[in-house]
Parts: sequence; structure tokens; C-alpha cells
Amino acid sequence: DGGITQSPKYLFRKEGQNVTLSCEQNLNHDAMYWYRQDPGQGLRLIYYSQIVNDFQKGDIAEGYSVSREKKESFPLTVTSAQKNPTAFYLCASSIWGGATEAFFGQGTRLTVV
Amino acid sequence: GESVGLHLPTLSVQEGDNSIINCAYSNSASDYFIWYKQESGKGPQFIIDIRSNMDKRQGQRVTVLLNKTVKHLSLQIAATQPGDSAVYFCAETFGNEKLTFGTGTRLTIIP
Repeated sequence: DGGITQSPKYLFRKEGQNVTLSCEQNLNHDAMYWYRQDPGQGLRLIYYSQIVNDFQKGDIAEGYSVSREKKESFPLTVTSAQKNPTAFYLCASSIWGGATEAFFGQGTRLTVV
Repeated sequence: GESVGLHLPTLSVQEGDNSIINCAYSNSASDYFIWYKQESGKGPQFIIDIRSNMDKRQGQRVTVLLNKTVKHLSLQIAATQPGDSAVYFCAETFGNEKLTFGTGTRLTIIP
């Protein structure tokens, strides 16, 4: 059953803590992405990776970090430097980082308590 | 009914009617466009795509129109059903660059 899986679905974080969101895909896709979505708004790109061991900052990378040690995995860490981390986080993957369809996971809703 | 993307983020359509969702994209060099549907609390799902060498592409109950002269993209949904209620995003890209998403339009189907 191929697809892209995000976990957990809901996550609560205390202020000052780092948290890591998981994203795994078994589609053999080269490119992976992390987006942030705030209520009633569109998707904003945090980080993306077009190949293993390489990644680039998106439009809102401050306060976030990623790694791409394996092709199928692209975890996102929300650090304490991110001042307003409460949001819906979406991971996506595509065959390559160009004009191809991106497949999305079901998202992780992060809430700071 | 018809929306104008960023200026009218909501659109209400009677069940069974056709709907048109519009998107003004930003980059004249963009050569690939996708429409996504996002239901509440879920990730976006692919609906239909179109490349810049085409003006129109049809799927099942959906049609995408591309007007490169005015950098405009539209999604037409025929005979709308309650399950069509969602937020619809257009996305653009060119070459090997990342997808850029529009703000989205919320479509509500009135029974």
C-alpha cells in the first residue's frame, strides 16, 4: 500500500521545547517537501529536498530544521526559535523536484500549550 | 457561480449547478499547473494538471482552462455534488523549481 505517512496526527508542545514531526514515503520519490498551513490560509513552503543528503530553505524556514538521511524519510524539527509554531503541517513528495504532481500526507496538527 | 481566487476566497454553489474557481498565477515562466482539493483536516489531493503547451484539459466532471496571456487558470466542476465542498488550491511551477501554491478558494455546495 504505497503512500506518504505523517505522524503523529496531533501533537502538543510546551513553549521552549523542540518537537520532531515524522514524514515517511514508500513511493520511491526523490523530492520531499514540508509546508505549513495556518487557518483559512494557503500552504507556505518551509523546506524541501530534491535528493538524499541535500535540502533547501523555503519561504519560512526560520525556526525549523530538517534532515534527509534516507530517501524515504524527511523529518521536520520545530525548534524553540519558532515563535508561533501552532499550525497544520503538511509533508509532500514528488517523483522529482520539477513539473510533477506532489502527493501529500494527511498532516500533523501542532499546538503549543 | 464564479470566484476570483485571492479576492473572493469563498464560493457557494447550488447542488447540481456548475462551479468555476479562478486563480491568477504569478510567474509568466511557469509551465506546469495543478489543482488540488483539500477537505477539512486532511492533506490536499490532486484533481487535475495542465502543462503550458495546452489551453484546456478535461477530467471526470472537471475541466482546467489556462490563459497564459493574462496568467489565469480556472477549474470548472460540472454538476456539483455535496462531496465537492472543500478548499481548492492552484499551484504553479517551472523547470525544476518547487511548487508555489495560491491562497485557495473555499467551495460550499448548498443542498
